[in-house]
Amino acid sequence: GQNIDQPTEMTATEGAIVQINCTYQTSGFNGLFWYQQHAGEAPTFLSYNVLDGLEEKGRFSSFLSRSKGYSYLLLKELQMKDSASYLCAVRDTGGFKTIFGAGTRLFVKA
Amino acid sequence: EAQVTQNPRYLITVTGKKLTVTCSQNMNHEYMSWYRQDPGLGLRQIYYSMNVEVTDKGDVPEGYKVSRKEKRNFPLILESPSPNQTSLYFCASSFSYGGGNEQFFGPGTRLTVL
Repeated sequence: GQNIDQPTEMTATEGAIVQINCTYQTSGFNGLFWYQQHAGEAPTFLSYNVLDGLEEKGRFSSFLSRSKGYSYLLLKELQMKDSASYLCAVRDTGGFKTIFGAGTRLFVKA
Repeated sequence: EAQVTQNPRYLITVTGKKLTVTCSQNMNHEYMSWYRQDPGLGLRQIYYSMNVEVTDKGDVPEGYKVSRKEKRNFPLILESPSPNQTSLYFCASSFSYGGGNEQFFGPGTRLTVL
């Protein structure tokens, strides 16, 4: 079956680094996305990985290992505004579907 | 401004009363999709459309209909809403399905079916 697993909640301290993991089991794979969603708002795009390795974009980096069905999102120099949910999503090859994980709610404390 | 708009933003209705949630994008995107978001379940895809007149079911299509008569519009129709369709709904669009084309999401429609 199709499944994406992420931790439900994480807490980290302002200025620190946090890693949010995502494991997936899907019938096909055509790219993995990370989205950020603040409470009461729409998701917004953070990163995209389709090949193994690390993609860096400012304070945010995302890693992918296709053989392990594993990705992580790394947030550096945490700020209070980073308190949000982080959604891992896999684009399937069978059909044109996108499958989302349930999201990880990150709390950043002072 | 490039955006995806949805209407209404909030709706309270009763079981069995047909309703339509509109979705429109002004970015000339080919791919459009509807999701529902429920606590603990995340975003689940209801229907998607690859282009005009091309639609297909997502993972939770029961009780919903869609149409794509124009590229910019992708309405979601609930013919006979039931309480289990109470949810937060998001419309999204992307330039196309493939590559690194991320989805742009509308602001959401919070639907309550009594």
